[in-house]
Amino acid sequence: DGGITQSPKYLFRKEGQNVTLSCEQNLNHDAMYWYRQDPGQGLRLIYYSQIVNDFQKGDIAEGYSVSREKKESFPLTVTSAQKNPTAFYLCASSVQGLAQETQYFGPGTRLLVL
Amino acid sequence: AQSVTQLDSQVPVFEEAPVELRCNYSSSVSVYLFWYVQYPNQGLQLLLKYLSGSTLVESINGFEAEFNKSQTSFHLRKPSVHISDTAEYFCAVSEGNAGKSTFGDGTTLTVKP
Repeated sequence: DGGITQSPKYLFRKEGQNVTLSCEQNLNHDAMYWYRQDPGQGLRLIYYSQIVNDFQKGDIAEGYSVSREKKESFPLTVTSAQKNPTAFYLCASSVQGLAQETQYFGPGTRLLVL
Repeated sequence: AQSVTQLDSQVPVFEEAPVELRCNYSSSVSVYLFWYVQYPNQGLQLLLKYLSGSTLVESINGFEAEFNKSQTSFHLRKPSVHISDTAEYFCAVSEGNAGKSTFGDGTTLTVKP
């Protein structure tokens, strides 16, 4: 079955530690996205990529970094500079990254701070 | 710049009652509008979307939404809800060429027996 997988489902971060969230898709989509979801708030865009080896900052990129070395993979690193990382992180993809396209979401990773 | 306002954060209703989840948007150009649904601890799934043409769009599970350009609204309705419709619903807007969507804060629909 085609879809998006995110791992791990739960992730714990110690103070000062960088952690990496995995996102893989087998939909052959060009565009991929990372969102952060906090309780009672909508999704906020962290980073997005419309093509391999290229990505752009979203609305809340500070304290995060990404890479796009392969079409099917778009990992997100939460760095120690992100002071409030506790949230639900969602990865998504779309065919070409056009405005009229549906975004397909993974099941999410919940990040908790120890 | 585009923005989305979902006017109700919580909507409790009884089973088989009608429901309306309200969404208003602001944009300076033509827009594409989406409703996504999120079940607990899961990602979002597309419910329906408006791209162009008929202003009334429908989903396969009985929801519908009407694009109203003059009122800049895209309210979601269902004439009779089921317990299984309990979820969080997000309205989203995209504009221009890039697929950057702006999401509302979400409306939690709780269907009670």
